[in-house]
Amino acid sequence: AQTVTQSQPEMSVQEAETVTLSCTYDTSESNYYLFWYKQPPSRQMILVIRQEAYKQQNATENRFSVNFQKAAKSFSLKISDSQLGDTAMYFCAFMKHTTVGGATNKLIFGTGTLLAVQP
Amino acid sequence: AAGVIQSPRHLIKEKRETATLKCYPIPRHDTVYWYQQGPGQDPQFLISFYEKMQSDKGSIPDRFSAQQFSDYHSELNMSSLELGDSALYFCASSSNYNEQFFGPGTRLTVL
Repeated sequence: AQTVTQSQPEMSVQEAETVTLSCTYDTSESNYYLFWYKQPPSRQMILVIRQEAYKQQNATENRFSVNFQKAAKSFSLKISDSQLGDTAMYFCAFMKHTTVGGATNKLIFGTGTLLAVQP
Repeated sequence: AAGVIQSPRHLIKEKRETATLKCYPIPRHDTVYWYQQGPGQDPQFLISFYEKMQSDKGSIPDRFSAQQFSDYHSELNMSSLELGDSALYFCASSSNYNEQFFGPGTRLTVL
C-alpha cells in the first residue's frame, strides 16, 4: 500500500520570500505520478504541479518548483516570491500509473500543510 | 474551458435521510472519481468508474452506491445518512491515466 506523509501541519512565510513544503511517500511501484494540490478557503482543489516518476528533471510551473528525490522518496514543493494568494492548504498526492484497460488510478493524499503568507 | 460540474453545491439533510450527489465530467472524459473530505481531513477515495463500469472501490460505506450513466455523468447515492457523513464530496474526471480535474465539490451537512 502507498502512503504519503506531510510532516509540517502549518507553515508561515513573509510575502515575497521563498518557502519549501515537505512530502515523503512510500511505494513499491516503479511507475507513478506525484502531485501538489492547493486548496484555498474556497475549498476548490487546484492542481499546482505534477511530476512523473520516470522523469529525472524536476517539474517547474512559474513560481512553483519541486525537488524530486526518487531514491529518498521525497517530493518537496518550493514556492518562490510568495504572494498573499498562495495562502492555502497544500496537499501532496501519489498516483500509481496504470494503463491496463479499465483501470483507474486513485489519488492518495497526505494530511496537508496549511501555508499562511504574511504581508 | 469546460470544467467538472457538481450539483448541488450545498445540501442539508436530516439523519436517516437519503441524498443524491451528481457529477458532470469534462466533455470527452470517460473516467470519474469520487472523494470524501471530512472537516480538517485530506480527501479520501470512495469509488471510480471507467466507461460506465465500476473500476475501483475505496472506503465507501455499504449505505453508499454510485453509478456512471451513458452520458458519462455520475451519481453518488447516500442512504441512512449519519452525522459522520457530513463532508465535502468531490468528483474528479479524467481522460487519461495521469491527471484528474476536480469539481467544486458538494458540501453535505447532516443534522
